[in-house]
Amino acid sequence: KNEVEQSPQNLTAQEGEFITINCSYSVGISALHWLQQHPGGGIVSLFMLSSGKKKHGRLIATINIQEKHSSLHITASHPRDSAVYICAAPRDFGNEKLTFGTGTRLTIIP
Amino acid sequence: DAGITQSPRHKVTETGTPVTLRCHQTENHRYMYWYRQDPGHGLRLIHYSYGVKDTDKGEVSDGYSVSRSKTEDFLLTLESATSSQTSVYFCAISDRGRNGEQYFGPGTRLTVT
Repeated sequence: KNEVEQSPQNLTAQEGEFITINCSYSVGISALHWLQQHPGGGIVSLFMLSSGKKKHGRLIATINIQEKHSSLHITASHPRDSAVYICAAPRDFGNEKLTFGTGTRLTIIP
Repeated sequence: DAGITQSPRHKVTETGTPVTLRCHQTENHRYMYWYRQDPGHGLRLIHYSYGVKDTDKGEVSDGYSVSRSKTEDFLLTLESATSSQTSVYFCAISDRGRNGEQYFGPGTRLTVT
């Protein structure tokens, strides 16, 4: 089973700062997922990536398949970015079942 | 947003009673999943479905059963609810399984007293 670990568990930053959240996994995978859970509880898929880098607005996700590591970056952070960010990886290569990290709670202070 | 609804959104029930949670989608996606979310744990898969009448167990399936008689509905049943099943339950859907993103419903908060 894939072990998925995120760091840090909690992160507080000032508005405008560049944010980095890390995710490492133990078993080779086909793709990794990044999700956002709003303070109200709703979960939104941000990215699914299998190589390189993806960008949506101020969010950038990168993955290094060889090192089994992914990062989520937020540029020009804003209080509305405050949420829990979750990474997830397949249990093993080609598996539909995902293993989720416990999340990184991000708080952006105005 | 993907068209996924869950019902009920909140429920309080007593130990030993059966409970059924419903997930309904309007996206015609093949794959549907039930997860539970508890403090200190990541989302954990209970059961998933890869088509009508096709289901498989997840990592925390004990005490739960599922049914999928049509594409749009995936039911999760707690045969005899226990306090350890107090949790927030999320349904998710995907059109491409391992090759696709998952889209989540709003969640159901279940309390077993």
